[in-house]
Formats: sequence, C-alpha cells, structure tokens
Amino acid sequence: DTGVSQDPRHKITKRGQNVTFRCDPISEHNRLYWYRQTLGQGPEFLTYFQNEAQLEKSRLLSDRFSAERPKGSFSTLEIQRTEQGDSAMYLCASSLATSPYEQYFGPGTRLTVT
Amino acid sequence: QQQVKQSPQSLIVQKGGIPIINCAYENTAFDYFPWYQQFPGKGPALLIAIRPDVSEKKEGRFTISFNKSAKQFSLHIMDSQPGDSATYFCAASGSRLTFGEGTQLTVNP
Repeated sequence: DTGVSQDPRHKITKRGQNVTFRCDPISEHNRLYWYRQTLGQGPEFLTYFQNEAQLEKSRLLSDRFSAERPKGSFSTLEIQRTEQGDSAMYLCASSLATSPYEQYFGPGTRLTVT
Repeated sequence: QQQVKQSPQSLIVQKGGIPIINCAYENTAFDYFPWYQQFPGKGPALLIAIRPDVSEKKEGRFTISFNKSAKQFSLHIMDSQPGDSATYFCAASGSRLTFGEGTQLTVNP
C-alpha cells in the first residue's frame, strides 16, 4: 500500500500526558499537512511542511503542539500536557507542491483524552 | 471565522435521485475548489475539483457548478446510489485547504 499511513490509529491518554503521532506520506510528495477533525465538522488545518521546512502554522496550533519533519519524509505531531479539548481525529495528508489542492489523506489517529 | 459555508448539513435521497450540496466562500484569493468524500473511519478522499475560471466540470456522475461572481459552488451527484452514502466536504485551496462543515448524504435503496 503506497498511500498515506498514520500510527497509531487510536490513542487513549490521561489528561496531562504527552502524546506523539506519526505520519508517513506518499513517498514522492514533498508537502505534508496536519489537520484536526472533530465529530460533525470538517478538517481544520494545523500546519504544513514543504520538505523539512514548516511553512505555515494555524492559530489553532497552541504552544503545546509541535510538529516536525526532520528529513523531509515522515512527520511527527506531539501534544504536550493533553487536555480534554484535544480529543479529536488527527489527520495527515500529503501532496505535490504543484497541486496543493490534491491532497491524499491518511486514515487518521483518533485521540481520546480522559 | 468560517471561510467556507456548506449546506445542507444532512440530505436524504432515494436511489437515482440527484442530491445537490452548496458551498459559499469569502476569500477571493482561493485558487482551487475541491470536493472530498469521507466514509466513516476513513480519511477524506478527493472526488473532483474546479478552478475559478471554469463554470462547470463533470467527472462521471459528479458535477461541480461554479459561480464566481456569487462566490458559490455546488456538487451534483447524478443517478445517486446507496454506495454514495458518505459525508461530503467542499473545500477551498490556497497554500492549504479550508473545508466546509460537511454534508451527510444518505441514499436509500
């Protein structure tokens, strides 16, 4: 399968704990995006990378959130000191820089903060 | 601030019907308008997309109509099938995607 993969698919954590999610994009895609989706809503943009450079961050991305794409391939999204409001589906997508509207999404990581 | 507004929130049609989902946007800097389809437990998947200099685009049973002056666009699904039952999102693209709130479509057999 050469699509976008995300790990883990589900994560349950206690409030205050740190969590880290991983995304592996389609190999030839140089752009990688993170979105958050809550029930009944469309995905909300968090941040995106072109190769290893983080080019844009949403105001939704508080100081507790950090994302990296160290070698321009896979990416990690870390949430520190999780809060119940962080419970959501975290989606990763990738695209070519020449076609940013044509994004391919992974299956998501569902985070539940108890 | 919601930059892409989508309606209706939910839609039920009979097999063979033509559901229509509408979206309106505010930012004239958007340069592409894709539609995504999402099934439960899956990530969104690109269905069809249109540029703002085109008034209509058709791919198979899916058609986008685009009205640049009104800043509105819509998705029509011809001869809808139960397998089309999913959540549909319109989006607007600049450097990233801005999504509408979604429409849950149910196509009854």
